[in-house]
Amino acid sequence: DTGVSQDPRHKITKRGQNVTFRCDPISEHNRLYWYRQTLGQGPEFLTYFQNEAQLEKSRLLSDRFSAERPKGSFSTLEIQRTEQGDSAMYLCASSPGLAGELAKNIQYFGAGTRLSVL
Amino acid sequence: GQQVMQIPQYQHVQEGEDFTTYCNSSTTLSNIQWYKQRPGGHPVFLIQLVKSGEVKKQKRLTFQFGEAKKNSSLHITATQTTDVGTYFCAGSMETSYDKVIFGPGTSLSVIP
Repeated sequence: DTGVSQDPRHKITKRGQNVTFRCDPISEHNRLYWYRQTLGQGPEFLTYFQNEAQLEKSRLLSDRFSAERPKGSFSTLEIQRTEQGDSAMYLCASSPGLAGELAKNIQYFGAGTRLSVL
Repeated sequence: GQQVMQIPQYQHVQEGEDFTTYCNSSTTLSNIQWYKQRPGGHPVFLIQLVKSGEVKKQKRLTFQFGEAKKNSSLHITATQTTDVGTYFCAGSMETSYDKVIFGPGTSLSVIP
């Protein structure tokens, strides 16, 4: 049983560059979530997918952020024109979704991608 | 907006002492989840509470869900150094069940 995997684990970029992160969820999970976490804070919700459909996007997310899950399996999160304030840990989580009423939104997290914008 | 708050932000205890963290929501929750994040790690699911007034135990950990489903607590009896980490509560709102809102966490340090 493989867990949630994220790539890359670390990304250093210069301000103004675009970056893309990938998340591979647990294979039987149909929900996928993206979070951002800064030091001393809890994971901050960014967006989530049910299969390939993006169902909700945080109002805090600027237009520079976009996420896709084209085939309902892996997902990508792109940040355009990065700013220093984007430096954070980007966490992906998957959950069973429709499979099991009580368990359907339990979050299984990947190890995250740490972004540093210089 | 929907907010989940936790107190205290930090707690330092001597090994063997008890520890409690409290979680409060500004709105009624459909369920509450607790996660633990070790230093340098990612959040790991501990437990989910669904029913009003529910109490669940996992060895030395006791979790409670308030009667009004707006607050929760995690109590650790006789802390050990392996308990070190940040404990997050996370709530699903009745109006948006699929989205999980995390609290800011309580960071626990255990002095041996």
